[in-house]
Amino acid sequence: QSALTQPPSASGSPGQSVTISCTGTNSDVGGYNSVSWYQQHPGKAPKLMIYEVTKRPSGVPDRFSGSKSGNTASLTVSGLQPEDEADYYCTSYAGKNNLVFGGGTKLTV
Amino acid sequence: QLQLQESGPGLVKPSETLSLTCAVSGGSITSDNYYWGWIRQPPGKGLEWIATIYYSGSTYYNPSLRNRVTISVDTSKNQFSLKLTSMTAADTAMYYCARQRGWGSWAFDIWGQGTVVTVSS
Repeated sequence: QSALTQPPSASGSPGQSVTISCTGTNSDVGGYNSVSWYQQHPGKAPKLMIYEVTKRPSGVPDRFSGSKSGNTASLTVSGLQPEDEADYYCTSYAGKNNLVFGGGTKLTV
Repeated sequence: QLQLQESGPGLVKPSETLSLTCAVSGGSITSDNYYWGWIRQPPGKGLEWIATIYYSGSTYYNPSLRNRVTISVDTSKNQFSLKLTSMTAADTAMYYCARQRGWGSWAFDIWGQGTVVTVSS
């Protein structure tokens, strides 16, 4: 059982927006601004999409955005494109030099 | 362009120790404010952080694996390594090495392609 809770699946049509949630506790998501999101296509290594809750690495489209409210972080993908279909994982610093992952969400476009 | 490449045995026997190495190219492992880590993914399952190290030798471990894991760095070879003892079938996974951007970030921004490790007699 993962420390952070994500919905197993999410879906949307091309051009639509979809939001994936990541729920933790005040000891991880709620306690630190160290939430990251990763995109993983089948057979590929994960790719960092969002870090420190809202920041986008260079090269990541601005269609991807992150936010946090209380113990829940969210990844929103706007203007869905076929290539956005992938697994998405959230992570959060959990204090005491520990990092926890969510169980992952399969996004279908 | 920074690249990471994992290497190690693809097959390990139960109870044995796994040794993996991550070679860093296109940049220095001693770059300030970058850390280096290992993450694994069992077949069909999610990601699990294993350990992180700074080039100075500071180490950080997943509490659930702490008593079995050692991460180390060799700055002369620009690489870092992972040892995992007492391997069982539950340790069968894809093992990734990655660069962690900054201490407070805890975000892995560059990943290796991964190496498959199977535990079987």
